[in-house]
Amino acid sequence: NAGVTQTPKFQVLKTGQSMTLQCAQDMNHEYMSWYRQDPGMGLRLIHYSVGAGITDQGEVPNGYNVSRSTTEDFPLRLLSAAPSQTSVYFCASSYSPDRVYGYTFGSGTRLTVV
Amino acid sequence: AQSVAQPEDQVNVAEGNPLTVKCTYSVSGNPYLFWYVQYPNRGLQFLLKYITGDNLVKGSYGFEAEFNKSQTSFHLKKPSALVSDSALYFCAVPNRKVTFGTGTKLQVIP
Repeated sequence: NAGVTQTPKFQVLKTGQSMTLQCAQDMNHEYMSWYRQDPGMGLRLIHYSVGAGITDQGEVPNGYNVSRSTTEDFPLRLLSAAPSQTSVYFCASSYSPDRVYGYTFGSGTRLTVV
Repeated sequence: AQSVAQPEDQVNVAEGNPLTVKCTYSVSGNPYLFWYVQYPNRGLQFLLKYITGDNLVKGSYGFEAEFNKSQTSFHLKKPSALVSDSALYFCAVPNRKVTFGTGTKLQVIP
């Protein structure tokens, strides 16, 4: 079982560049989400999706776009990278986030914006 | 709004000693609570959850957590710490916008 796969694992971008962080899961989970992790701030939700074609904003959505065309994939797009977006990004999925089901996390993408 | 708080940024414990990582919650109604662990350069892994029933919940790697409604706490515990338990621990409240605590770094000293 692959679980949640994130690519790339590491990325360096120049300010103003755009890129897409990929996330794929093979567990047929309806719910997927993106978090960023910064020292001392825990995990902050960027965007989430409760199913194909449905997305919503989390706590820190500015500068990021998402789409969910299939159940399996939930890419995160950085439109114009800024140094403040230097972070570790995690994708997570769940059969359902409400109540009894936990998350499965990917191994993360470490992004540096210079 | 539902929230969790982890009052300690870091906990140090000697190998073989019992460990406790603290979490308090603010949830309306009956809470569902989770603990996750993050090893260096890895994603978070599920440890255990409280849904209902017994106040002492057993999870992976010998960890357990005690739910205390009167103190609104859900502390993570282990009777005997291992060096390999050194990691970052998060408590969480599950909902559509799952709320995580800020994390507690556990350092087990040989």
